[in-house]
Order: sequence, then C-alpha cells, then structure tokens
Amino acid sequence: DGGITQSPKYLFRKEGQNVTLSCEQNLNHDAMYWYRQDPGQGLRLIYYSQIVNDFQKGDIAEGYSVSREKKESFPLTVTSAQKNPTAFYLCASRRRASGGNQPQHFGDGTRLSIL
Amino acid sequence: KQEVTQIPAALSVPEGENLVLNCSFTDSAIYNLQWFRQDPGKGLTSLLLIQSSQREQTSGRLNASLDKSSGRSTLYIAASQPGDSATYLCAVRLEFGNEKLTFGTGTRLTIIP
Repeated sequence: DGGITQSPKYLFRKEGQNVTLSCEQNLNHDAMYWYRQDPGQGLRLIYYSQIVNDFQKGDIAEGYSVSREKKESFPLTVTSAQKNPTAFYLCASRRRASGGNQPQHFGDGTRLSIL
Repeated sequence: KQEVTQIPAALSVPEGENLVLNCSFTDSAIYNLQWFRQDPGKGLTSLLLIQSSQREQTSGRLNASLDKSSGRSTLYIAASQPGDSATYLCAVRLEFGNEKLTFGTGTRLTIIP
C-alpha cells in the first residue's frame, strides 16, 4: 500500500537533547512537509521541500532542522533550541504535477513530549 | 496575512441529519481550498480539493462549495452517520508555486446515534 509512514508514534525528549522524527513516503511525491499541531491552533508549517537536496523554512522553523537526501525521506530534528517542543508533528507529501492542484497527503503523526 | 476561521468549534447532530460545516478566509485571492478529516490521534485525510475556478466538488455524501468573492466555503454532509464523527479542517493555498497551506482550527463533529 502506498502511503506516508511516520515513526515513532510517541517520542520523549530530555532537557538539552536533540531528537529526530522520521517520515518516509512511497507515493513518489516530489514535495514533503512538516507541520506542528497544538491544541486549539491550526496546523503550522515548520519546513518544506520541493525537491531532493532543497528545503525552505516555514512559519515556525526556529529550533528545528531537516534534510532531504532522498526523495522518499524527510526527517525532522527537534533541537535543544526549541524550548516548547511538546506537540503533535505531522508529515505530508504532495505530487507536484503541472496545474498545481494535487492535494497534500498526511502520515499518522508523532506525538513528542518532554520528560 | 491570510487567516482561516471555522465556526463553530464543535457541533453535535443526530444521526441521519444533513449538516453544513463552515470555513471563511480573509484573502479571497486563493489558488485552491482543501477539506480534511482528522480522527483523534491520527493524521489528516484529504476529502475534497476545490480549485479557485470551481464552485463545488462532490464525493459520495460530501459536497464542498466555494465562494471566493465572499471568502467562504462550506462542506455539506448528507445523511450523517456515527462514522462521520471527527474533526474537519479546511486549508487554503494562496497561489501556484506557493507551497504553504493556511489551516483553520477545525470543527469537531459528533454524530449522535
């Protein structure tokens, strides 16, 4: 089955620790995205990548880093500089065909908490 | 700055009723609008995408409409079922080449058996 796999489902971070969230897709989509979801707020874009080896900051990139070495993978690192990392993190991907009206597809998320 | 609002934040209706969910946006120059469903603790499932040139899209019991000039979209659910209980979110994309979506905070729908 084609889809987006996020792992782990739950993650705990200690003070001063960096943690990495995994996102893998087998949909052959060009673009991939990371969002953060907090209670009572809409999803906010952290980073996105339209092609391999290229990515752009979203609205709340501070304290996060990403890489896009392979088309199917877009890991997100939550660094110790992110002082409020507790949230639900969602990865998405999209096929960037001409016309631009392809929908975004989402994984099942990773819930990150502070120990 | 584009802002997307969904009112009400929560809605409960008896099974079998037809219902309408609302989404409003402040900048009418959108490229497309997408409706999603989110079950508790899960990711988002894309339901319908309406292009700026379209007035509505239909999928099964779902019908989404778009009125760009008034900055509004509605999601109509016919003959509601308990399995429709979820949070429904709308998101707008401003322009071709701009990958950012601006999301509303969602409407939590409960269908009462």
